[in-house]
Amino acid sequence: DGGITQSPKYLFRKEGQNVTLSCEQNLNHDAMYWYRQDPGQGLRLIYYSQIVNDFQKGDIAEGYSVSREKKESFPLTVTSAQKNPTAFYLCASNRLVDRGAFRNQPQHFGDGTRLSIL
Amino acid sequence: AQKVTQAQTEISVVEKEDVTLDCVYETRDTTYYLFWYKQPPSGELVFLIRRNSFDEQNEISGRYSWNFQKSTSSFNFTITASQVVDSAVYFCALTNDYKLSFGAGTTVTVRA
Repeated sequence: DGGITQSPKYLFRKEGQNVTLSCEQNLNHDAMYWYRQDPGQGLRLIYYSQIVNDFQKGDIAEGYSVSREKKESFPLTVTSAQKNPTAFYLCASNRLVDRGAFRNQPQHFGDGTRLSIL
Repeated sequence: AQKVTQAQTEISVVEKEDVTLDCVYETRDTTYYLFWYKQPPSGELVFLIRRNSFDEQNEISGRYSWNFQKSTSSFNFTITASQVVDSAVYFCALTNDYKLSFGAGTTVTVRA
C-alpha cells in the first residue's frame, strides 16, 4: 500500500548529539514537509521541499537541517543547536498539480517520531 | 498572516451524543483552502475534508458534517451520534499556498 513511513518511532538524543529522522514516501508526491507538534499546540512547519534538491525554511527551522536527494526521501536532522528538541515530529507529502497550485491538495502524514532527551 | 483558532481545548461526551467542534480563521486572501484532520492516539493525522473559499455548501459524510460560513470566518465540524472510536484530537487548518496553518486542536473524548 502507498504511504509515508517514518522511522524510528521513538528516538532518544544525548546532549550535543545530532540525530536524523527518516521519512520515505511511495505516493509519488512532489512536495514533502516536516512539522513539529508540542503538547496542546498545533503543528508548526519546520522545512518543506517542492522538488528534489530544493527545500525552504518554515516557521521554526533554527536548529534543524534537511536534504532532498531523492523524490521519495526527506530526512530531518535535529542538530545540537536545537536546545528544546523534545517533541513529536510528523512528516507529510502532497501532490504538486502544477507549480503554485499544490495548496489545495491534502497533505498525507506519516505515523510520527517521538524524540526525547536522555 | 493567517491564523486558525480552535477555542475548545477538550470536549467530553457520552456515546451517541452529538459534538460540534468550532474553528474560526483569519486570512487576508480571497482564495484559500480549509481542512479538518483527525489525530487518533496512534499519532498519524488523517485527512477528513477539504473546502475551498468559493464553496460554501455544507457537506455531510456519514456521521460527519461541516458548516462553512464565510461571513463569520468559521468552518465548524459536527459528529452526530458519537462513538468511542471518534475519540481523538481534531485539527482545523488553513492554507493559501504551500503552508498549512493549524489550530491548536480539540481533544474529543467519547465515553461508553
